[in-house]
Amino acid sequence: DGGITQSPKYLFRKEGQNVTLSCEQNLNHDAMYWYRQDPGQGLRLIYYSQIVNDFQKGDIAEGYSVSREKKESFPLTVTSAQKNPTAFYLCASNVAGFDNEQFFGPGTRLTVL
Amino acid sequence: GDSVTQMEGPVTLSEEAFLTINCTYTATGYPSLFWYVQYPGEGLQLLLKATKADDKGSNKGFEATYRKETTSFHLEKGSVQVSDSAVYFCALSERRRNAGNMLTFGGGTRLMVKP
Repeated sequence: DGGITQSPKYLFRKEGQNVTLSCEQNLNHDAMYWYRQDPGQGLRLIYYSQIVNDFQKGDIAEGYSVSREKKESFPLTVTSAQKNPTAFYLCASNVAGFDNEQFFGPGTRLTVL
Repeated sequence: GDSVTQMEGPVTLSEEAFLTINCTYTATGYPSLFWYVQYPGEGLQLLLKATKADDKGSNKGFEATYRKETTSFHLEKGSVQVSDSAVYFCALSERRRNAGNMLTFGGGTRLMVKP
C-alpha cells in the first residue's frame, strides 16, 4: 500500500534534548512538508522540500531543522532552541503541481516533560 | 499574503441536520480550494476540492462551490451522521515562484454530531 508513515506516534522529550521525527513516503512524490498543529488551531508550515537535497523554511522554522537526502525521507529535528515544542506534528507530500492535493501522515504527538 | 478564514466552532448538530461551515479566502491570484477532514488523533484527509471559479467539489454527501465573486468555499451536507464528527479545514493552494504549490489553512472547525 502506498502512503506516508510517521514515527513514533508519541514522543516524550526532556527539556534541552534534541529529538528527530521520522517521515517516509512510498508515493514517489517530489515535494514533502512538515506542519505543526497546536490544540484547537490550524496547521502552520515549518519546512518544505521540492526536491532532494533542497529545502526551504516555512512560516515557523526557528528551532527546527530538516534534511532531504533521499526522495522518500524527510526527517524533522526539534532542537533545544525551540522554546515551546509540545504539539502535534504532521508530515505531508504531493506531486509538484498547482492543484495537486497533499497527502498526510498520521502525525507524531511530541510532549516536553 | 494569502489567508483563509473559517467559522469558529464547535458546531453541534443533531443527526440528520443540515450542515454549513463557512469559509472565505484572500488570495492575489486564482487559487485552488480544498476541504480536509481530521478525525481524532489522525492526520488530514482530502474531502473535496475545486480548481476554478464555479466548480463544485463533492464527496461522501459533502459539497462546496468555488465562488470567486464572494471569495467563498462553504462546506455543506444535507444530512449529517454521527460518523461525520471531526475537525474540518478549509485550505487554498496558490503557485508561488520557486516554491511550487503551497497550502494555506484556515483554523479548523470542529463538528460534533449527536445521535
